[in-house]
Amino acid sequence: SQQGEEDPQALSIQEGENATMNCSYKTSINNLQWYRQNSGRGLVHLILIRSNEREKHSGRLRVTLDTSKKSSSLLITASRAADTASYFCATRAGGGNKLTFGTGTQLKVEL
Amino acid sequence: DGGITQSPKYLFRKEGQNVTLSCEQNLNHDAMYWYRQDPGQGLRLIYYSQIVNDFQKGDIAEGYSVSREKKESFPLTVTSAQKNPTAFYLCASIGAGENEKLFFGSGTQLSVL
Repeated sequence: SQQGEEDPQALSIQEGENATMNCSYKTSINNLQWYRQNSGRGLVHLILIRSNEREKHSGRLRVTLDTSKKSSSLLITASRAADTASYFCATRAGGGNKLTFGTGTQLKVEL
Repeated sequence: DGGITQSPKYLFRKEGQNVTLSCEQNLNHDAMYWYRQDPGQGLRLIYYSQIVNDFQKGDIAEGYSVSREKKESFPLTVTSAQKNPTAFYLCASIGAGENEKLFFGSGTQLSVL
């Protein structure tokens, strides 16, 4: 079963605008990660936020985590055409190394 | 360069045939994973291995088999029992001290003839 559900499923914005995508999950987690996937390629890790953290930044990326609502958001500021990709959240629960992925948001940044 | 290599990039399976997807890593990672991705969907875990000679079923293991005889290699066999094998297959690994992030291969697209 998939732990996370991303929202929206698809997002189209103009270059320079901000893009926000959300992830909801079902069970308690140790950490939540965001990955990016270009079409037909493998996933690339973007950022990790632990369950005791509320916000984290990495370059143009900002991630928030609300464990009471079991949700996270990924904000990409000043988007570029090269940001066009699918973005997935993934959660780790318990002490194991098993990551469960959400359904993804397809982001298209137009010139 | 260090990384994960999946081969082949494209694979075709005839009905009733078993096919094996290769995954090799030179990152010295202990844990390796196989995920299946259907068009427009997320990743679903097929099998994972946390150490050599040990592996566990994921969420959709039926019709698949794996082995982990070497640390570097984690091949996935799609058996004839898997009735809907067409998908994009992704191999990943994770190592201690890597901040718990997965490293992915570039994937294998499997199609049925």
